[in-house]
Amino acid sequence: NAGVTQTPKFQVLKTGQSMTLQCAQDMNHNSMYWYRQDPGMGLRLIYYSASEGTTDKGEVPNGYNVSRLNKREFSLRLESAAPSQTSVYFCASSEYPSGKDTQYFGPGTRLTVL
Amino acid sequence: LAKTTQPISMDSYEGQEVNITCSHNNIATNDYITWYQQFPSQGPRFIIQGYKTKVTNEVASLFIPADRKSSTLSLPRVSLSDTAVYYCLAFGGYQKVTFGTGTKLQVIP
Repeated sequence: NAGVTQTPKFQVLKTGQSMTLQCAQDMNHNSMYWYRQDPGMGLRLIYYSASEGTTDKGEVPNGYNVSRLNKREFSLRLESAAPSQTSVYFCASSEYPSGKDTQYFGPGTRLTVL
Repeated sequence: LAKTTQPISMDSYEGQEVNITCSHNNIATNDYITWYQQFPSQGPRFIIQGYKTKVTNEVASLFIPADRKSSTLSLPRVSLSDTAVYYCLAFGGYQKVTFGTGTKLQVIP
């Protein structure tokens, strides 16, 4: 039981490049989330998915797209990376609405955009 | 989404009990109060969750008064390994959850 896994752990991009961050959970959770955390700051919600095939915007969705491929996987795509997107990205999942919205987090992806 | 307010930082000596209070004046009826712990370079980790009165688990206690406008996370006999950032959230259902900056707890030997 790995919980929530994220790949890659580290990534360096040049401005304008694209990439996809992968997230998978093995807890059979309904809901999945993408957050970003800038240095010294709290986490801000980018997008969330209530179930397979559905996604919704969070607090800071601009510059990102997401895809809930199946119940296990939720990917985050940067189409044209910008230095302002340098951050640590966390994926999380919860069993809501089947249960309480207790979120379980992955280890994070540290992204630097030059 | 209930806005939460908590101290930016706290210091404590090893072996002491630490209480971190969080204010959530506009908490909604269906909101739960949840606390997370985050170590550097790691994702947040769930500590404890409650709705009212007192909840206790193997690592912490959560005290919630009857009006639910605040809550207190209590960590018994802290050790150096409890040095972390602690986040208080009050929400229920699909909301644009914001963790805020949390409380940075520094445990001193």
